[in-house]
Amino acid sequence: DADVTQTPRNRITKTGKRIMLECSQTKGHDRMYWYRQDPGLGLRLIYYSFDVKDINKGEISDGYSVSRQAQAKFSLSLESAIPNQTALYFCATSGGAGANVLTFGAGSRLTVL
Amino acid sequence: EDQVTQSPEALRLQEGESSSLNCSYTVSGLRGLFWYRQDPGKGPEFLFTLYSAGEEKEKERLKATLTKKESFLHITAPKPEDSATYLCAVQASGGSYIPTFGRGTSLIVHP
Repeated sequence: DADVTQTPRNRITKTGKRIMLECSQTKGHDRMYWYRQDPGLGLRLIYYSFDVKDINKGEISDGYSVSRQAQAKFSLSLESAIPNQTALYFCATSGGAGANVLTFGAGSRLTVL
Repeated sequence: EDQVTQSPEALRLQEGESSSLNCSYTVSGLRGLFWYRQDPGKGPEFLFTLYSAGEEKEKERLKATLTKKESFLHITAPKPEDSATYLCAVQASGGSYIPTFGRGTSLIVHP
């Protein structure tokens, strides 16, 4: 099983719908992140969490919210999806001896029509 | 504001044709510079961390080097399986230690 699991892997939805992307990890890391990747724009940070009670906005948090349900679970929500939120979303974790190194999930491809 | 610029955006090589990818950065105190590899449809995978100017790390056909302003990822005698997007990220010594990523270099190695 993967260390960082994202669900769903692919999702097509319509404008205005609420969407939740889920992330779970088995690495025991404290830190979890949500990134968005667009062609030509690289990885941009949406939200991050350093422990269960800690939630921080990244550079592009508008239109998104997150929930850290447990150390191992970090979900990303789009309350009312819009087409320019069409992108590839990655969850990542870091912690332990390699605290500076990110371990990424396989990604969730979201299409908003 | 931390900035990371990678060049070229895309690179096509013939198998065995060595080359280098560049990552130039501006950061107020470098805590670490990271290289990741990303295959199509997958998440980035960690390759190297470099911490100080002059440091070098190697893995198979890849060697990463670091100066005070930039890092190079040297690819020696590449093979088609080295085709991927290579991402560079920097972590500043102050603040939250959140890494800033460059936009990546897409490498294609033709057989």
